[in-house]
Amino acid sequence: DAGVTQTPRHEVAEKGQTIILKCEPVSGHNDLFWYRQTKIQGLELLSYFRSKSLMEDGGAFKDRFKAEMLNSSFSTLKIQPTEPKDSAVYLCASTSGGQDTQYFGPGTRLLVL
Amino acid sequence: GDKVKQSPSALSLQEGTNSALRCNFSIAATTVQWFLQNPRGSLINLFYLVPGTKENGRLKSAFDSKESYSTLHIRDAQLEDSGTYFCAAENYNQGKLIFGQGTKLSIKP
Repeated sequence: DAGVTQTPRHEVAEKGQTIILKCEPVSGHNDLFWYRQTKIQGLELLSYFRSKSLMEDGGAFKDRFKAEMLNSSFSTLKIQPTEPKDSAVYLCASTSGGQDTQYFGPGTRLLVL
Repeated sequence: GDKVKQSPSALSLQEGTNSALRCNFSIAATTVQWFLQNPRGSLINLFYLVPGTKENGRLKSAFDSKESYSTLHIRDAQLEDSGTYFCAAENYNQGKLIFGQGTKLSIKP
């Protein structure tokens, strides 16, 4: 079985652009998470889906960040418009649900100029 | 304030020695997970814990929910153990994890 896959692995955007990051969870997993990782803030939860339903919509990240789960095997994270402070590694993770291990993808490294 | 606080923030060890990393929680953690982020950036799950202990090779982890802490012990450290170790707590079975800031571990030959 493939683990969590994320594309692209690297993205460079100009300020003001719209970018879409993609994630495919582990097959059969019901819960999906989007995180942002920076050196200063560490790992921050952006969005959380349980069986495709949005459980957590990111609080402070709501205005320009939108995560969607189009089906049980595919999720996107849209950032619109991008700002330089959005430069970070964006990580996707999935779990089978309930109390279980989270499995992480390799991440997308985003640089906004 | 920090809901999940890790210590130390950084640690440098000689190969073959032992170490202990710690996580303190200011939330009612119901489960704890430990991860290693290797130099390539991949987050690898090491342990999933309910209150109690688990052991896997040279690694041993404990979670005490009453005293609100968790530990990760590394025995006979190897060069490949280098990386950043994160603990993360789940609060009241909410499903989402709250991460600590990490312990950066460097193993020297």
